[in-house]
Amino acid sequence: GQQVMQIPQYQHVQEGEDFTTYCNSSTTLSNIQWYKQRPGGHPVFLIQLVKSGEVKKQKRLTFQFGEAKKNSSLHITATQTTDVGTYFCAGTGTASKLTFGTGTRLQVTL
Amino acid sequence: DGGITQSPKYLFRKEGQNVTLSCEQNLNHDAMYWYRQDPGQGLRLIYYSQIVNDFQKGDIAEGYSVSREKKESFPLTVTSAQKNPTAFYLCASSTGTAFSRQPQHFGDGTRLSIL
Repeated sequence: GQQVMQIPQYQHVQEGEDFTTYCNSSTTLSNIQWYKQRPGGHPVFLIQLVKSGEVKKQKRLTFQFGEAKKNSSLHITATQTTDVGTYFCAGTGTASKLTFGTGTRLQVTL
Repeated sequence: DGGITQSPKYLFRKEGQNVTLSCEQNLNHDAMYWYRQDPGQGLRLIYYSQIVNDFQKGDIAEGYSVSREKKESFPLTVTSAQKNPTAFYLCASSTGTAFSRQPQHFGDGTRLSIL
């Protein structure tokens, strides 16, 4: 079945440093979504990408969808303590349902 | 305020017992989902429903059952056949049109443990 992997599993940064998480699918995706889950909370939708090579920005967050539509990345510029949480990508493959990635847990310290 | 309500927040199950997790939404969404989250892992789809009185198995349906008798409700039963039920269970919903392309809205989850 479709698999969506994310790397790294965990990253610890100092506040102000940049952070990137990568999402890789075993199959071509029609769309990719990104979610954030704060510690003890539930996932919250951030954004969706649907076009090959698409780039979208939300303040300090930059989301990219690969040209082959099999990978995606989320980059956070100048992290803040409010960025702490686990970031999940989720993509739709040939099974026409969303498959969540394994997640990247981000820890930010002062 | 519209949203998804899951209850209870914490649930304990004895060996051989079935338990039912509640999920109610007032977002008027057609599609609803159940996910299981284990520590340090992603979300795995248990069951989903795109419309009332219809539902499909997800990736890990064995040992679980669902019903969708009303648009706003999608309860999940964890049966005694599920040998490792300890996990965090999340319910979600989305609009039904091209449902895999719609953002999913999640409830606060139910944490199930074995006594």
